[in-house]
Amino acid sequence: EDKVVQSPLSLVVHEGDTVTLNCSYEVTNFRSLLWYKQEKKAPTFLFMLTSSGIEKKSGRLSSILDKKELFSILNITATQTGDSAIYLCAVCSGTYKYIFGTGTRLKVLA
Amino acid sequence: NAGVTQTPKFRILKIGQSMTLQCTQDMNHNYMYWYRQDPGMGLKLIYYSVGAGITDKGEVPNGYNVSRSTTEDFPLRLELAAPSQTSVYFCASSPDRGSGANVLTFGAGSRLTVL
Repeated sequence: EDKVVQSPLSLVVHEGDTVTLNCSYEVTNFRSLLWYKQEKKAPTFLFMLTSSGIEKKSGRLSSILDKKELFSILNITATQTGDSAIYLCAVCSGTYKYIFGTGTRLKVLA
Repeated sequence: NAGVTQTPKFRILKIGQSMTLQCTQDMNHNYMYWYRQDPGMGLKLIYYSVGAGITDKGEVPNGYNVSRSTTEDFPLRLELAAPSQTSVYFCASSPDRGSGANVLTFGAGSRLTVL
């Protein structure tokens, strides 16, 4: 059975800290891995990763995929209170099937 | 560019009532999806569609129905609402080709409570 596991389930840090969120997967017919940020509404897209070892970066956020070990990490440096959210990892299997992890709830304290 | 629009945002239903959650997208995406999100459970796929006139069941289709008469619209029908259907529902769409292929765009969500 396809599955995506995220860790930790929740995390509390102080502003300025660096955090690393993990996503491991066991999925047949891997196509891509996606990271989303969810505040109080719809998940918003952060990154899509398809190739191992190529870092995607956007400001203080970065992500990388390891297709041999079947995991991805999402790094957030110099965290801010606005980074508080649930971070979702999803794997696209085949053309249109997505398997979501349960998310990591991040809280950044001022 | 509105993206994915869902209505209503909130709804309270009594057990046994029926309702339709509306979803429309203006990005000409062929793929559309309905997910439900329960606390601590991640997103579960209810139904999906790969184009107008084509729909298929996801992981948790019982108690729901969909139709896809146009590329833009993908309504979700709840028949005989039950407390187990209390959840937040998200509609999403994605292109089937091009640089944005596989990137899901989500609607703002519909919070449904069944009492």
